[in-house]
Amino acid sequence: EPEVTQTPSHQVTQMGQEVILRCVPISNHLYFYWYRQILGQKVEFLVSFYNNEISEKSEIFDDQFSVERPDGSNFTLKIRSTKLEDSAMYFCASLGFQETQYFGPGTRLLVL
Amino acid sequence: QKEVEQNSGPLSVPEGAIASLNCTYSDRGSQSFFWYRQYSGKSPELIMFIYSNGDKEDGRFTAQLNKASQYVSLLIRDSQPSDSATYLCAVNYDMRFGAGTRLTVKP
Repeated sequence: EPEVTQTPSHQVTQMGQEVILRCVPISNHLYFYWYRQILGQKVEFLVSFYNNEISEKSEIFDDQFSVERPDGSNFTLKIRSTKLEDSAMYFCASLGFQETQYFGPGTRLLVL
Repeated sequence: QKEVEQNSGPLSVPEGAIASLNCTYSDRGSQSFFWYRQYSGKSPELIMFIYSNGDKEDGRFTAQLNKASQYVSLLIRDSQPSDSATYLCAVNYDMRFGAGTRLTVKP
């Protein structure tokens, strides 16, 4: 069973610090996504990525956020200067030809 | 603004009953519709996707799509306690999610 992996599983950071969340999508998938879910709230789309560039982003994905696929396997989400309200579970997902989107287990980010 | 609306519930059904979950969407041009299940503290897990009007069945699950009325539903037959979870509706590949409906199946 293919799977998306994410590291770290938990991260605690101080407000204003930069964080990088890492994801390894399924190897033959072409579309990659980041979502976040604030505790008790809905899953929110952040950004989609295809062919080494952003294909769509939500209003949440402002200049504090960036994504990168640095080496053909990892897919990263960077938050440059974290705010308290960035505390959430961040999910990576990837999509292949068979229209099945697989989610990773998530990274729980806590900003203090 | 593309909106996806779901009744947040909770929806409670007895074991063995049919659970019916509904979702409406605002973007009339939407083409792809997905139902996910999310257990507490876990990531969403795809149950079904549907593109065409009508019904699509997969085991105990049936997705129903009506593009004219802009709604998509999920029926779960013979509900089991293990089906207790939050069910998320998502629209299109940018995955605009609804808030989810919390389902409880009581033994």
